[in-house]
Amino acid sequence: NAGVTQTPKFRVLKTGQSMTLLCAQDMNHEYMYWYRQDPGMGLRLIHYSVGEGTTAKGEVPDGYNVSRLKKQNFLLGLESAAPSQTSVYFCASSLPGNYEQYFGPGTRLTVT
Amino acid sequence: AQSVAQPEDQVNVAEGNPLTVKCTYSVSGNPYLFWYVQYPNRGLQFLLKYITGDNLVKGSYGFEAEFNKSQTSFHLKKPSALVSDSALYFCAVRDIRNYQLIWGAGTKLIIKP
Repeated sequence: NAGVTQTPKFRVLKTGQSMTLLCAQDMNHEYMYWYRQDPGMGLRLIHYSVGEGTTAKGEVPDGYNVSRLKKQNFLLGLESAAPSQTSVYFCASSLPGNYEQYFGPGTRLTVT
Repeated sequence: AQSVAQPEDQVNVAEGNPLTVKCTYSVSGNPYLFWYVQYPNRGLQFLLKYITGDNLVKGSYGFEAEFNKSQTSFHLKKPSALVSDSALYFCAVRDIRNYQLIWGAGTKLIIKP
C-alpha cells in the first residue's frame, strides 16, 4: 500500500516550457486535490476532483489544467510555465465528506 | 469572508515543557476545524479534527486541541514536548462555499533539548 505517490520529485523548467505532474493513489479515494505550497502562504488549492471524469477550480487555478481520467490518477499540467509557478506541489486524496486528506511527498518545481 | 489565521510564524519550546500552537478562524455557521503536521521534506499528515461534541479533541502523537467558540480559536496543545515534535503545523477550516479546506500559513515549532 503505497498511499499517494507523485512523480517527478524535482523538476527545473525554463519559462514557456510545459510539463505534467502525475499523482497516483491506491486507497480507492473518490476525492483528489492539487495544492501549491509557498513560504508564508500555507497551502493553496489549485484544482480538485470529486470523482473520475470531474474536476473543479480551486483558489489559484490560472495557468494550470487537470485531468482525472482514472479514479486513481490525477494529473496537473502546466502549459506554459512561468517563474511565478516555482513552488512545491502536493497532491492529496480523501474519501467523500472526510476531511482527513492523505498527502503525497511533493514535487519541487523551479521555473527559471 | 472565511479565513484562518496562525498568528505565530515560529514557536520555540524546551523539551519536556507544554506547548501551544495558536489558531483562530472566521467562518459562517458551525466550523469544521483541523490540524495537520508537516515534517521536513514530507507531505502533510492529519493530526486531529473538531466537527462537533467535546471542545477538547485528542489526536495523534499525544496532541490535543481546544475549541473555543467565543474566542473563535482552535489551539493545538501537548503537555510535554519532544524534540521529534519539531515540524511545521497547519490549521485548516472547512470552506462552506465548496466544502474544501482553507489553510493557515503554518507555524514552525522548534523543540530544543
